[in-house]
Amino acid sequence: GQNIDQPTEMTATEGAIVQINCTYQTSGFNGLFWYQQHAGEAPTFLSYNVLDGLEEKGRFSSFLSRSKGYSYLLLKELQMKDSASYLCAVRYNNDMRFGAGTRLTVKP
Amino acid sequence: DAGITQSPRHKVTETGTPVTLRCHQTENHRYMYWYRQDPGHGLRLIHYSYGVKDTDKGEVSDGYSVSRSKTEDFLLTLESATSSQTSVYFCAISEPDQRATIEQFFGPGTRLTVL
Repeated sequence: GQNIDQPTEMTATEGAIVQINCTYQTSGFNGLFWYQQHAGEAPTFLSYNVLDGLEEKGRFSSFLSRSKGYSYLLLKELQMKDSASYLCAVRYNNDMRFGAGTRLTVKP
Repeated sequence: DAGITQSPRHKVTETGTPVTLRCHQTENHRYMYWYRQDPGHGLRLIHYSYGVKDTDKGEVSDGYSVSRSKTEDFLLTLESATSSQTSVYFCAISEPDQRATIEQFFGPGTRLTVL
């Protein structure tokens, strides 16, 4: 199988930093994506990693370790509007597999 | 925002009836996908298309068929709907490029309820 595991729920405080982890099976790996999905809306693309290391894009960063089958999404300076589900997705050859998503609640 | 629309946005139907969902894009992207999203399962690929009349099965294709007669339209058909097909259905598009990033852009979703 190609299980993609991420925590179901997380809570954090406005202005803080939160890290959402994702682990996946490494065989056939061909890229990792993070998407944000607000309740009742479509997923929107946040970041892409195919090589080891950190990709930074404003308040959001994503890290990949291919040998460990591990990624994280780092959200800094949390805002209330960051309350959403965050989906980790892995491309295996030409097939895309999604994790079940992490629902993040940002509290004042 | 990528130009992707889905119709209908909401549908309630009865078990055993045929249902067709439509995805329409104005981006001229080659790849189109149909996913379903259920609590605890995340997004699961049903079928995808890599060109007109070129389609392939995804992870959960049983009970579904697709057609793509034009670049801009990708149809998903449930020949005989069952209650287990109650879900939110998302269409997505992508266009491969040399960077091979191939992020997917998602439509607004269709909420289907099968009674």
